[in-house]
Amino acid sequence: GAVVSQHPSWVICKSGTSVKIECRSLDFQATTMFWYRQFPKQSLMLMATSNEGSKATYEQGVEKDKFLINHASLTLSTLTVTSAHPEDSSFYICSAREVHRDYYEQYFGPGTRLTVT
Amino acid sequence: GQNIDQPTEMTATEGAIVQINCTYQTSGFNGLFWYQQHAGEAPTFLSYNVLDGLEEKGRFSSFLSRSKGYSYLLLKELQMKDSASYLCAVLGSDYKLSFGAGTTVTVRA
Repeated sequence: GAVVSQHPSWVICKSGTSVKIECRSLDFQATTMFWYRQFPKQSLMLMATSNEGSKATYEQGVEKDKFLINHASLTLSTLTVTSAHPEDSSFYICSAREVHRDYYEQYFGPGTRLTVT
Repeated sequence: GQNIDQPTEMTATEGAIVQINCTYQTSGFNGLFWYQQHAGEAPTFLSYNVLDGLEEKGRFSSFLSRSKGYSYLLLKELQMKDSASYLCAVLGSDYKLSFGAGTTVTVRA
């Protein structure tokens, strides 16, 4: 299957600082990418949908000014957690959709573990 | 929105078979996915069903009944490496994936 990379795989930052996470589709073009958050022992919760060349659409309850998403090209989306707080500590996973004629496939990146101290 | 239910935990013996059920209630349906997730890692794709019936892929099979809002993932010839969380996810009318809480499968020797 296709490969999605994320960088960094883990990051520790101080409260109040900003952190940028990159998501790349390595061998296919993704017009749509998704950002999920997963707390321990919970399932993935969709935060936002990132569309190349347009503004991201955020799920209810997700602050768009806090979680900035940029989808600058067909292979790169970035999530910036601004003014991070300890409650933002979580596992952030991006996903990229590959569109075939009759079906979709959605591939996940390896995740970024964010710890805010 | 989507309401997706699956059991929290299951335990089985190496070499055995385990069936993980998933029921869903949706406002739209464009397919059902099963993913495997090991602790601390991202989910990996296992199967996709959009039509009723059984899809077989090696030791793993997935079944879908759209009229019943029901799917199951069947794991055969269980191996220790199959110990993981298994996520049922529905692709809604908005083409976004909604995930169940996951079923943690523990394989014992």
